[in-house]
Amino acid sequence: QLQLQESGPGLVKPSETLSLTCTVSGGSISSSLYYWGWIRQPPGKGLEWIASIYYNGNTYHNPSLKSRVTMSVDTSKNQFSLKLNSVTAADTAVYYCARHKRFGDIDYWGQGTLVTVSS
Amino acid sequence: QSALTQPRSVSGSPGQSVTISCTGTSSDVGAYNYVSWYQQHPGKAPKLMIYDVSKWPSGVPDRFSGSKSGNTASLTISGLQAEDEADYYCCSYAGSYTYVFGNGTQVTVL
Repeated sequence: QLQLQESGPGLVKPSETLSLTCTVSGGSISSSLYYWGWIRQPPGKGLEWIASIYYNGNTYHNPSLKSRVTMSVDTSKNQFSLKLNSVTAADTAVYYCARHKRFGDIDYWGQGTLVTVSS
Repeated sequence: QSALTQPRSVSGSPGQSVTISCTGTSSDVGAYNYVSWYQQHPGKAPKLMIYDVSKWPSGVPDRFSGSKSGNTASLTISGLQAEDEADYYCCSYAGSYTYVFGNGTQVTVL
């Protein structure tokens, strides 16, 4: 059974960089069928797709966040990562990592991790 | 890339049917047959319920069904059950490997 687990600091200061890693177990991140993405959900609000990466390193971003987002993949560790720079309070959210196919159906999700932006 | 529009809430009695709409544009919902629907219970990760407009993932009951007409997709829950009470989100492929979610709908079982 595939499992995804987010890890990273739960508190980030304004203007700094949010960094999260997703560790995939029970399956290979190098599968040609799937993409690996980050989705966030501010408290009490809806879901927002942030970005996705393919095992070969190709990345795709939400246009509204593109300038602040960097993703990377480490196939040797079966992990992928997110960096979001210049964070503000508006970036406070539960961040989910997930697996999806090319056209979007997201079939596996991590449990989510709350990241709070505050001084 | 604006969020897809869903009603804030819908409700129904056990056994009834409810339908949630998801309205986008000719650049997302209207352009592709790649709309998916997710169920989210409080404090939990979302769960895929429908993909490619009307297909069921393994294990999802066929009480859940999806359709699309023009720029609007819909999720219908038939034979509403207490455990169906949750938030539901649509998501559409928007081209160039980008995706957009709906703003979410709270389903209440009366």
